[in-house]
Amino acid sequence: IAGITQAPTSQILAAGRRMTLRCTQDMRHNAMYWYRQDLGLGLRLIHYSNTAGTTGKGEVPDGYSVSRANTDDFPLTLASAVPSQTSVYFCASSSGENNEQFFGPGTRLTVL
Amino acid sequence: QQPVQSPQAVILREGEDAVINCSSSKALYSVHWYRQKHGEAPVFLMILLKGGEQKGHEKISASFNEKKQQSSLYLTASQLSYSGTYFCGTVQGGSEKLVFGKGMKLTVNP
Repeated sequence: IAGITQAPTSQILAAGRRMTLRCTQDMRHNAMYWYRQDLGLGLRLIHYSNTAGTTGKGEVPDGYSVSRANTDDFPLTLASAVPSQTSVYFCASSSGENNEQFFGPGTRLTVL
Repeated sequence: QQPVQSPQAVILREGEDAVINCSSSKALYSVHWYRQKHGEAPVFLMILLKGGEQKGHEKISASFNEKKQQSSLYLTASQLSYSGTYFCGTVQGGSEKLVFGKGMKLTVNP
């Protein structure tokens, strides 16, 4: 692994289903983030983690949960997907809050 | 508080200059700039910190006016590769979180 990876690349999901988007980084960054990107709205922060074992809510956390059991992994879970969660999801990491964020390639999620 | 970017879109010919503005109604600690090409992830350009100097990288530079809570990104002698959407992100004083603007779409034509 080099940098930050996300899986799956894309997914079509029925409303009401549970889904976990995976994110893994190998840069030993303390901070990790989940964003959603919707046309015309830019990047909006869902949840973040400043260090392993801690998480925090971003601008649009409702309907999403995260965990940070270790430094490398930061999964995002949709407990019961709804069509409004159709979006492109980006995971990012940084060595600190005012440092460069490295973004993963994104996951395109469609909820029907 | 989401920063406001202007203009929303610009079309240039190769070699022309562009300025992208980013403003906030709140006191800012730092401003971050990213570029995203279509279908790709955002890529970091630069960070400007409160009290810091103007930054530059090749023909792309930026300034941060702390009194006005504004930052500007300057693209000089634009190249075709500059096409994409430019996002500013701001960190308010006392906050841990980076909040992105809606982006500015730049198209550079031959």
